[in-house]
Amino acid sequence: DGGITQSPKYLFRKEGQNVTLSCEQNLNHDAMYWYRQDPGQGLRLIYYSQIVNDFQKGDIAEGYSVSREKKESFPLTVTSAQKNPTAFYLCASSGKTSGRAGPQETQYFGPGTRLLVL
Amino acid sequence: GENVEQHPSTLSVQEGDSAVIKCTYSDSASNYFPWYKQELGKRPQLIIDIRSNVGEKKDQRIAVTLNKTAKHFSLHITETQPEDSAVYFCAASWAGGYQKVTFGIGTKLQVIP
Repeated sequence: DGGITQSPKYLFRKEGQNVTLSCEQNLNHDAMYWYRQDPGQGLRLIYYSQIVNDFQKGDIAEGYSVSREKKESFPLTVTSAQKNPTAFYLCASSGKTSGRAGPQETQYFGPGTRLLVL
Repeated sequence: GENVEQHPSTLSVQEGDSAVIKCTYSDSASNYFPWYKQELGKRPQLIIDIRSNVGEKKDQRIAVTLNKTAKHFSLHITETQPEDSAVYFCAASWAGGYQKVTFGIGTKLQVIP
């Protein structure tokens, strides 16, 4: 949705390199999420954060790390320990959205970052 | 934890026909069920959702039904159009908090003109 941005759109990683994907939201949402999407597969949860300075592992957290120092930002680092990082990465947020109807548990997604390995 | 199964994985329909996608969930505590549409290379976008205190919800050509006893919910698209072609995901979560959402594997819908 327009209130969530991800950068870059494409990212290339060299072997052994750590890379960081950016996710920013201006919806004043408390919760933020990172998903990985592989071709023909659904959305798999990597990490999620319900509040600043707190986050939990999702279903496939190995090889990834996150931080939540600000409410608006939830960057994801793909470490060299992630041996198969090529995928489409989606960030999402949820919470009470000013000026918008709907339950607070509805997740709104960013445009995604496609990570490729050189 | 929650497990959401979705079928079929692919669905082809003629333009103007109806399409139905079905999902089941395992956790009886789940009470919020959103559906997302994802066009190729784009972000998933919410198209309709339903809470467990409602059996059916409709929005123009799209409807969702929920059978809480059987833990089944379905998406119905009537009078399909080529622009309905996309991947559709069902999901389940517990409303009222920031609990994680569990997604189905997705259904690729192709509407043939």
